[in-house]
Amino acid sequence: AQKITQTQPGMFVQEKEAVTLDCTYDTSDPSYGLFWYKQPSSGEMIFLIYQGSYDQQNATEGRYSLNFQKARKSANLVISASQLGDSAMYFCAMREGPESGGFKTIFGAGTRLFVKA
Amino acid sequence: SAVISQKPSRDICQRGTSLTIQCQVDSQVTMMFWYRQQPGQSLTLIATANQGSEATYESGFVIDKFPISRPNLTFSTLTVSNMSPEDSSIYLCSVGGRADSYGYTFGSGTRLTVV
Repeated sequence: AQKITQTQPGMFVQEKEAVTLDCTYDTSDPSYGLFWYKQPSSGEMIFLIYQGSYDQQNATEGRYSLNFQKARKSANLVISASQLGDSAMYFCAMREGPESGGFKTIFGAGTRLFVKA
Repeated sequence: SAVISQKPSRDICQRGTSLTIQCQVDSQVTMMFWYRQQPGQSLTLIATANQGSEATYESGFVIDKFPISRPNLTFSTLTVSNMSPEDSSIYLCSVGGRADSYGYTFGSGTRLTVV
């Protein structure tokens, strides 16, 4: 069965420094996608970055990069040059491919990031 | 990626009443999903809304409590029935498909408070 694990309930980072949020996953499907979302206090889910299981290179989107280590089944999010506005809840998520018949997404428990001035 | 409009954005409801949440997508999608996020928790899938057939519910969720409609490929509703304070949550819809087309978009969510 598919599973997403985020072991860091809360993280603190100094403004302008980089921070890594951990995510490990488990799936038997060879085709899957990994996502990171940001959820501010408003409650909306903001898509940050996507990594496909067959992608050879790590995904990057501006200050966000995904450190994808397939053999270790990890998909850590790296935020460079943290800003005060980065303070939010961050969720790692996975969607399995068509072989699993669903395309539904499962989520980790989340990591709350606090950026200090 | 698809653009999803969800409404209402928030509501405060009396216990015992029902609320219907709407989700409109700007393009046709095969599957739509409804999630619940209880306070301080992660997202939990309620059901998959299938066009032309009954929704597929996850364990712990039943149709009588969360009836879902999917009249076409761009629209779905979720009703939270006979509400109690335990139903106070954020409800979100999302769309399914290839991750590089529709895969990663959520509606803005409905923040429900039951008093």
